[in-house]
Amino acid sequence: KAGVTQTPRYLIKTRGQQVTLSCSPISGHRSVSWYQQTPGQGLQFLFEYFSETQRNKGNFPGRFSGRQFSNSRSEMNVSTLELGDSALYLCASTRDRDGEQYFGPGTRLTVT
Amino acid sequence: DQQVKQNSPSLSVQEGRISILNCDYTNSMFDYFLWYKKYPAEGPTFLISISSIKDKNEDGRFTVFLNKSAKHLSLHIVPSQPGDSAVYFCAAISGNFNKFYFGSGTKLNVKP
Repeated sequence: KAGVTQTPRYLIKTRGQQVTLSCSPISGHRSVSWYQQTPGQGLQFLFEYFSETQRNKGNFPGRFSGRQFSNSRSEMNVSTLELGDSALYLCASTRDRDGEQYFGPGTRLTVT
Repeated sequence: DQQVKQNSPSLSVQEGRISILNCDYTNSMFDYFLWYKKYPAEGPTFLISISSIKDKNEDGRFTVFLNKSAKHLSLHIVPSQPGDSAVYFCAAISGNFNKFYFGSGTKLNVKP
């Protein structure tokens, strides 16, 4: 079956703009988590959605938000972009509560 | 404050020898640990996991050891192959299996 897909794969934005990233989980997976990866910090947890509800949230400012639709697809939005938001944004889906996470290929965001 | 730390950013090993990747954590309440492998331009892929009630889990060439008293886990790859060259992340899961805490990664280079 198809894996986790993320769009777009690459994105260049300028400071102050906003961006929306999309993630489609594996069919049947209801949990979607978002992560930010930077060279120095490794993978940092942003938030997790399950059945259209945000179930858990990491320590990121309110500029980072997300949502999940009834088909489990999820979007992540970052407003008022800063240079430090340049990173690889990964989403991962899980079938059930103690399942393994399957990651998408990521969206490489560059803020100039 | 990072709760999961990988203090070695890189490791170089000769093909056929053992690769040992280390990971330390601070929270004794973690009850599940995972290792992920990541190739450039791809999302991380799950490699192997271990529950906190065990001290060893083996899967083919990969073995994960957990030392709860030292809050330390390690991944052994024997024998190492050039295709194992990638960045390896260790991760710990909080009790409700929702939140993953990742280390910053160790880049493994297996030389032919």
